[in-house]
Amino acid sequence: GENVEQHPSTLSVQEGDSAVIKCTYSDSASNYFPWYKQELGKRPQLIIDIRSNVGEKKDQRIAVTLNKTAKHFSLHITETQPEDSAVYFCAASSSGGGADGLTFGKGTHLIIQP
Amino acid sequence: NAGVTQTPKFRVLKTGQSMTLLCAQDMNHEYMYWYRQDPGMGLRLIHYSVGEGTTAKGEVPDGYNVSRLKKQNFLLGLESAAPSQTSVYFCASRASGGRDEQYFGPGTRLTVT
Repeated sequence: GENVEQHPSTLSVQEGDSAVIKCTYSDSASNYFPWYKQELGKRPQLIIDIRSNVGEKKDQRIAVTLNKTAKHFSLHITETQPEDSAVYFCAASSSGGGADGLTFGKGTHLIIQP
Repeated sequence: NAGVTQTPKFRVLKTGQSMTLLCAQDMNHEYMYWYRQDPGMGLRLIHYSVGEGTTAKGEVPDGYNVSRLKKQNFLLGLESAAPSQTSVYFCASRASGGRDEQYFGPGTRLTVT
């Protein structure tokens, strides 16, 4: 089955700086890569996703890049703000129109220092 | 439009007791999922369903059973709870037809003593 590795487990950055979280996956059939933000005691919320036919996607301060050859994808947050503090999870799926569930990384605790 | 809801929000069980967690969605989604989340871990897939009357095993199915008798509901059962099943359980649903986003419920915090 799929295996997703995520690092770092904790990331502390100064407010206004950029943050990068990286993930690798093992199954070359995976074609859908979402990123979720989870605040303490809350449900995971999708913040951005990318499919394997796209190399990069951006939404305001958030961007995701995908390297299919190397089987890794990254989340980039620019101009970080205090409300970006949360746990971020990457995930992978080989849904391709099917119904497979997501395989998650173990999460990155992002801390924004004022 | 409530999205995905879960019942109950919290529960404490003694070892050996049974219980059922209910997930309901009002988005007419075909696919539904049960995940568990443990401290320091990402979510792990327990079981999923591709439609009414169908279920399939995920990554960590042992000790759980599921049923999908109605399209909008997905039930997760613990027949004989164990302390190792202490976790936060999330349900999710997703539309078919190439739309990949999964919508998560608010979670159920289960403690087995």
